[in-house]
Amino acid sequence: GAGVSQSPSNKVTEKGKDVELRCDPISGHTALYWYRQRLGQGLEFLIYFQGNSAPDKSGLPSDRFSAERTGESVSTLTIQRTQQEDSAVYLCASSKGDYQPQHFGDGTRLSIL
Amino acid sequence: RKEVEQDPGPFNVPEGATVAFNCTYSNSASQSFFWYRQDCRKEPKLLMSVYSSGNEDGRFTAQLNRASQYISLLIRDSKLSDSATYLCVVNLNTGGFKTIFGAGTRLFVKA
Repeated sequence: GAGVSQSPSNKVTEKGKDVELRCDPISGHTALYWYRQRLGQGLEFLIYFQGNSAPDKSGLPSDRFSAERTGESVSTLTIQRTQQEDSAVYLCASSKGDYQPQHFGDGTRLSIL
Repeated sequence: RKEVEQDPGPFNVPEGATVAFNCTYSNSASQSFFWYRQDCRKEPKLLMSVYSSGNEDGRFTAQLNRASQYISLLIRDSKLSDSATYLCVVNLNTGGFKTIFGAGTRLFVKA
């Protein structure tokens, strides 16, 4: 069965550009999570979606960050006017529901020049 | 105080050694617990769930102590391939769902 799929694998862009990252969760998983991991650091929670409920956006670091998910399908994380400190690996995970184990995609490695 | 705390290590152990990691959590509303391993420049991968009764998977044993609010991971007969960062995860209900990853404990197993 397919795991969590993220695209692109790598993204290099210039400071000030907008970027869009995509996550395809495991089929049937109602919960979807985005994390950021800077080099040598731990996972930083960004946002959580559960079914059709309002997302938990409490981890988004600024209003330049936004994410969408339609139902229980694909999610996109958008970063506007990128800054060098946005350089990191962005990881997406999905789970069958709350309190269930999360399964991660390979991540998108974002580099801001 | 952080909601979930792990000793960052690194733990340097010889092959064949037994090593144990602890992860403490501060909120008694915590509902489910997991251990993950993360290899360098890779995504975290689920290692095992953690139950009050304790659970074992080969050389790995996980325990939950609700009274003292910590979970543990024991690795017996360490292999070179066990070298990785071990992350604990705590899921809790604080009027809504919340998930928290520990910062991880780095393990180096040497020949």
